[in-house]
Amino acid sequence: SAVISQKPSRDICQRGTSLTIQCQVDSQVTMMFWYRQQPGQSLTLIATANQGSEATYESGFVIDKFPISRPNLTFSTLTVSNMSPEDSSIYLCSVAQGKNGYTFGSGTRLTVV
Amino acid sequence: TQLLEQSPQFLSIQEGENLTVYCNSSSVFSSLQWYRQEPGEGPVLLVTVVTGGEVKKLKRLTFQFGDARKDSSLHITAAQTGDTGLYLCAGGATTDSWGKLQFGAGTQVVVTP
Repeated sequence: SAVISQKPSRDICQRGTSLTIQCQVDSQVTMMFWYRQQPGQSLTLIATANQGSEATYESGFVIDKFPISRPNLTFSTLTVSNMSPEDSSIYLCSVAQGKNGYTFGSGTRLTVV
Repeated sequence: TQLLEQSPQFLSIQEGENLTVYCNSSSVFSSLQWYRQEPGEGPVLLVTVVTGGEVKKLKRLTFQFGDARKDSSLHITAAQTGDTGLYLCAGGATTDSWGKLQFGAGTQVVVTP
């Protein structure tokens, strides 16, 4: 299965600033996904990162707040913009491995102060 | 949105005991996956089940997919401290077998010596 390198692993940011999270995959994949996992909760899909086109956002998430780039089939970034303490969470990227499920990055633990 | 309900939310047992985690929905899924997540890591896929009534075994873990493909269970025999983690079920929609997944809220399992 694919191996995903996600960074940074954690960060503490001031409110009002932005943080860009990167995910690098060791093989070409068609679909990459970005999730948010709030403390003690399950995963919520933010958006699907599509190569060569704009990301597809889920209800409650907008491009201005979470801009996503997907310049090629092995790389994607998620930016958390104009952060507030409510954005404190773990952010995870993942890739689909066919019917064998998803492979996840190790996550970025974000704390906004 | 297809909702997956997991129960129990939290389970604390001693080493050597058995446990079962349930995942239920009113919707049919084309596939259902189980993941385990440890602190500071992304979820790791344990198994994928795709056929109604299917039973899969992974060492001490037994996974079952309901006949109607609406529910699943995970049974751990003779639990070990290494089984501690957040167990997540995730379902793929009937028309999108490997795209977006719907995650359950998770079951936190703690196995004590």
